[in-house]
Amino acid sequence: QKEVEQNSGPLSVPEGAIASLNCTYSDRVSQSFFWYRQYSGKSPELIMSIYSNGDKEDGRFTAQLNKASQYVSLLIRDSQPSDSATYLCAVSGGYNKLIFGAGTRLAVHP
Amino acid sequence: DADVTQTPRNRITKTGKRIMLECSQTKGHDRMYWYRQDPGLGLRLIYYSFDVKDINKGEISDGYSVSRQAQAKFSLSLESAIPNQTALYFCATSGNLAGEFEETQYFGPGTRLLVL
Repeated sequence: QKEVEQNSGPLSVPEGAIASLNCTYSDRVSQSFFWYRQYSGKSPELIMSIYSNGDKEDGRFTAQLNKASQYVSLLIRDSQPSDSATYLCAVSGGYNKLIFGAGTRLAVHP
Repeated sequence: DADVTQTPRNRITKTGKRIMLECSQTKGHDRMYWYRQDPGLGLRLIYYSFDVKDINKGEISDGYSVSRQAQAKFSLSLESAIPNQTALYFCATSGNLAGEFEETQYFGPGTRLLVL
C-alpha cells in the first residue's frame, strides 16, 4: 500500500526562525508532490507543488525534492504566527489521485 | 464567489438516517473527489469521478455512495449513517485547464458531520 509519512508534531519554532517540515513516501514512481496548509477547521489550501529534483522557491516557502531518497520537504523562512497550521504533504498515487500524509502541526510562537 | 462549494456546512443526524452531502464547482474541472478527515488520520479518499459516466471507489467506500449529476455536481450519500462516520468531509476538484497541472486538487470548505 502506498504511504506518505509525516511527523505529527507539534513542531514549535520562534517567530522569525526557519521551520522545516519533512515528508517521506513509499511509491518510487510518484512524479508529483504537493504541500497544503490547513488551518484548524478549514479546508486544505495549496502552497507549493514540485515535480523535479531540487529546490523550488515561492516567497518565504521553499520545497525540496529528492526522488532517490523518496523525501520532500518544505522550508518556511521568517516564520510568522499566522503560519501556525497543519501542513499536509501529498504525493501522486496514479490515475490523478493524491495520497495524503496525516500532516505536521506547526506552532510559531512570538 | 467560492469555486468549490459544499452544502450543508454542518449536519447533525441520527444513526440509521440517510443523508446527502452536495458539492458544486465553477472551476470547469472534470475530476471530482470526496474525502473524509479524522483527527490524526489525514485525508482518506472515499470516491472519485473523472467524468459524469466515470465513478470509482476510493480506499474507504463502504457505507457511502455517490452521484455525479453533472460535470459541476458530485453528491455523497450515507445510506444509513452510523456514529463512526462522524468526520469532516471535503470535496475536491482537479482538471486540465490551461495553466494548471491536472493533478493539483482544490478543496471545498468542508462539511462537519455528527452522527448520534
